[in-house]
Amino acid sequence: QVQVVESGGGVVQPGRSLRLSCATSGFPFSSYTMHWVRQAPGKGLEWVAVISYDGTNKDYSDSVRGRFTISRDKSKNTLYLQMSSLRPEDTAVYYCARWGGGPSSFDIWGQGTMVTVSS
Amino acid sequence: DIQLTQSPSTLSASIRDRVTITCRASQSVSRWLAWYQQKPGKAPKLLIYKASSLESGVPPRFSGSGSGTEFTLTISSLQPDDFATYYCQQYNTYPYTFGQGTKLEIK
Repeated sequence: QVQVVESGGGVVQPGRSLRLSCATSGFPFSSYTMHWVRQAPGKGLEWVAVISYDGTNKDYSDSVRGRFTISRDKSKNTLYLQMSSLRPEDTAVYYCARWGGGPSSFDIWGQGTMVTVSS
Repeated sequence: DIQLTQSPSTLSASIRDRVTITCRASQSVSRWLAWYQQKPGKAPKLLIYKASSLESGVPPRFSGSGSGTEFTLTISSLQPDDFATYYCQQYNTYPYTFGQGTKLEIK
């Protein structure tokens, strides 16, 4: 079935780096734009980054631009988020989400992976 | 950035009640607005896209309406499974933004 599964979260010190992965299956990964969305503990949802279906176009929220890099590997059907210069305010559950295409929105979400930035 | 303001922030209701949640945008998003349901510890689930289109598999008691800057999500007859937090989200312009959420509680 269609699914996306995040991994790579954990506890990291401020200023350090971490790479999240999102393994996909059940759909043609190379045909879909993909996003990362995060949710700080007890807070609402915040869009983080997007990458086009072919990886040529990327965009980021102002809060992570210059520190985070989104990428994808079509041979592995996997989406990535490289996070650098992490800050305590980056602490959140990070969700990988598929953009449904056409008029749709985020139609498939993973279960999320928790990132805690703390000394 | 486009700000989305949901009201109310918390809503207490009973089974079989009809409830409406409002989402107001700081500028027009045309009809590029979605609604999600989120339960504790779970990922959001898409309910409505393009303001009023029902996602496949979502019960028809959920409906959406609106355009421009004002949108509503209506649940026609609350069921036990509907008690959750609801978010609106605009996808007219990057950065995509979400409302702050409406927590639907059992009265």
